[in-house]
Parts: sequence; structure tokens; C-alpha cells
Amino acid sequence: DAKTTQPNSMESNEEEPVHLPCNHSTISGTDYIHWYRQLPSQGPEYVIHGLTSNVNNRMASLAIAEDRKSSTLILHRATLRDAAVYYCILIGGNDYKLSFGAGTTVTVRA
Amino acid sequence: ETGVTQTPRHLVMGMTNKKSLKCEQHLGHNAMYWYKQSAKKPLELMFVYSLEERVENNSVPSRFSPECPNSSHLFLHLHTLQPEDSALYLCASSQAQDTQYFGPGTRLTVL
Repeated sequence: DAKTTQPNSMESNEEEPVHLPCNHSTISGTDYIHWYRQLPSQGPEYVIHGLTSNVNNRMASLAIAEDRKSSTLILHRATLRDAAVYYCILIGGNDYKLSFGAGTTVTVRA
Repeated sequence: ETGVTQTPRHLVMGMTNKKSLKCEQHLGHNAMYWYKQSAKKPLELMFVYSLEERVENNSVPSRFSPECPNSSHLFLHLHTLQPEDSALYLCASSQAQDTQYFGPGTRLTVL
């Protein structure tokens, strides 16, 4: 399985942007970059995914480096409800398996 | 609300009990999953069913027995569990290998 590396934790103030980095230097050409988050006492929730181009949706933006060896999840204006553990996961074309690491614990200060 | 429901949400059982966890998805997906999340550990994939056939079994002890009677329902039958099996058990579904949608989980405590 291709591995990802994320910081253990990040803090942000409410209404400010949050940039969550993820390194995946061994990514293969068919691996998609997925982000999930898990709020306290809930199951993981899909956030966004991409292959090569940057992606935007109502929850976040995903910026993918040109060499695909790293990516950044961007929460444009953090709210208290964004406090969660964020997971960066690589998924191959024929792979059912989501390999969750420790993720990044995001704390949002009011 | 993700379209994946799990019952019960909380379960306390003794080591000699037999119980079952239930998962139901209302998304029309054809793949379903069981994950285990222990305290301070990453999620671990336990089982994967695709088109009601088991396609992955990650060296899970036989005291955990999955059942997938149709594409909308998934069960995890539990018997003679150990205290270290206490964890959050999460169900997920997907359309083939596409995005997985998770249920809220069952918090299991084994006494």
C-alpha cells in the first residue's frame, strides 16, 4: 500500500483558513488522493478526492502538487464544526481497501 | 445522515454471549465493509463484500463472522469475544471501488 504522512495536529482560529498537508512520495499513477474526516463519536465522512487536477466542492478544496507527491486540503473558513481528525488516503483503481493512518487532529478555537 | 444505518448504536456483552451487529445501506451500492476502530488506533479493515461475495478477509479471528444476505444488508455475528475486542465497529458501503460512505458505528464493550 502507498503510504501517506500527515502532521499529528493543527490548530486554527474560527473563520480562518486551514491548510492540511499530506505527503505521498510513493504514489502510483493510478492512485486517487482521498480525504476523509471523523468528527467525535461519528463514523468517517468523505470530504473530497482528486487524481491530478485541483478540486473544489462545498466542503473544501484539494490542491495537488504537479509531481503528485504531496497534496493539501484547504478548509477556507474553519468553523467549530470542522474540529475533527482528517485522513489523507491513497486508493488504487482496483483496491477496495482504505488504509487509515493516524490522521491530523484539527482543533478550532472560537 | 449518510444513508448507512447501524444497529445497535451501543452494545455491552459478556464473553460468553452471542450477539449480532446490523448494517443497512439505502444508497443502492454493491459493496459493503466492516471496520474496527480501537481506542488510540487507526481504523482497521475487517471484511469486504462485493456483490454479496466476500472479497477480503483481513486475518480476522473466527469469533467474528460476517454475513451479507443481499446488497443492502450486512451483519457481523459475535461469539465468545474477549475484552480486547471492545471497540467502535463501523460499516461502510460503496459503488464498486468508489467513495465509501460510513455509518455511525456500534460502540461495543465486552465485559
